[in-house]
Amino acid sequence: EPEVTQTPSHQVTQMGQEVILRCVPISNHLYFYWYRQILGQKVEFLVSFYNNEISEKSEIFDDQFSVERPDGSNFTLKIRSTKLEDSAMYFCASSEDRTYNYGYTFGSGTRLTVV
Amino acid sequence: AQKVTQAQTEISVVEKEDVTLDCVYETRDTTYYLFWYKQPPSGELVFLIRRNSFDEQNEISGRYSWNFQKSTSSFNFTITASQVVDSAVYFCALSEWGSQGNLIFGKGTKLSVKP
Repeated sequence: EPEVTQTPSHQVTQMGQEVILRCVPISNHLYFYWYRQILGQKVEFLVSFYNNEISEKSEIFDDQFSVERPDGSNFTLKIRSTKLEDSAMYFCASSEDRTYNYGYTFGSGTRLTVV
Repeated sequence: AQKVTQAQTEISVVEKEDVTLDCVYETRDTTYYLFWYKQPPSGELVFLIRRNSFDEQNEISGRYSWNFQKSTSSFNFTITASQVVDSAVYFCALSEWGSQGNLIFGKGTKLSVKP
């Protein structure tokens, strides 16, 4: 079964450093998403991406965050200057369309620890 | 505004008991999608089911069943004859057609199944 792949699985970074989280969505999917989950809390939407541009973003997704699809297969989330409160599990997801008949698949996540 | 409420924070049952996880949602859209995801201790989000707002048929998949009732805005999930491997956090989520595909998650219900 097709998978959404995220790398790395765990990243430790120093406060103030830039970090890039990488995702390879399912190849025929057109909609891409990032979510985050602070430890022990619910999963929160960050941003959706379609047709090479952001289609929706949450209040969490401020100027410190950016997304990119640099080469047609990868989908990245960049945090410009990490803060302690950015420590969380970050999930990438993709879907083929907005009826989700073909699923809404999450990757296994990247655990980001900011020290 | 859209919202998903999972009132049960934690449930503990003994193996072979049946258990129902509650999910109540709020939305103004007439077209929307409801999801259940399982998050085992390893942390990934495992898709269980998707339902659209026009399909109120209940669904059964093995030991799992879902009861969708628009009249009460509920989408409850029942595990029959629970097993230790069912221990996980279960999330209910909502996506409105008017959104760009972002999922609004409930806070999750932690299910512990004891042998």
